[in-house]
Amino acid sequence: QLQLQESGSGLVKPSQALSLTCTVSGDSISSGGHSWSWIRQPPGKGLEWIGYIYRSGSAHYNSSLKSRVTISVDTSKNQISLKLSSATAADTAVYYCARGSYLDPFEYWGQGALVTVSS
Amino acid sequence: DIQMTQSPSTLSASVGDRVTITCRASQNINNWLAWYQQKPGKAPNLLIYKTSNLKSGVPSRFSGSGSGTEFTLTISSLQPDDFAIYFCQQYNSYNSFGQGTRLEIK
Repeated sequence: QLQLQESGSGLVKPSQALSLTCTVSGDSISSGGHSWSWIRQPPGKGLEWIGYIYRSGSAHYNSSLKSRVTISVDTSKNQISLKLSSATAADTAVYYCARGSYLDPFEYWGQGALVTVSS
Repeated sequence: DIQMTQSPSTLSASVGDRVTITCRASQNINNWLAWYQQKPGKAPNLLIYKTSNLKSGVPSRFSGSGSGTEFTLTISSLQPDDFAIYFCQQYNSYNSFGQGTRLEIK
């Protein structure tokens, strides 16, 4: 059974970078044609897709976040990573990693990691 | 970017009711439309993909339909476990979600 687990800093100061890692178990990122996404959800609000990456390292981002986001993949560790620069309070959210993206629904999700941006 | 608009934002209903949630896309998404259920403190759970395909294990009281830019999720007979938030999502051009529909007990 495929499982995803987010980890990283739960508290980030304004203007600093937010960094999270998603560890995949039960399958290899290198196998298959799936891509891997980051999605976030501010407290009490809806879902926002951040971006996705293929095993090749090719990544695509939400245009509203593109200037601040970097998603990377480490196939040797079976991990994907998210970095969001210049964080503000508006970036406070539960961050999810999920398998899926273009023409591929989000069938598998991590349990989510709450990141709070505050001084 | 494709915008997804869900309605209603809140729906009050009783156990046994038939309910429908609507999702409208700002342009044709070629039926690449999914529905998710989310309960408090949990990640969303995929219910339906490609407009009308039920994910394995999802009860048959859930169904999806539509085409082009208009889509619906129907629950034929509400059960206590169905009271949750529902999101639609297009995955034809990158990804975007509707704002969600809170299904609450009347």
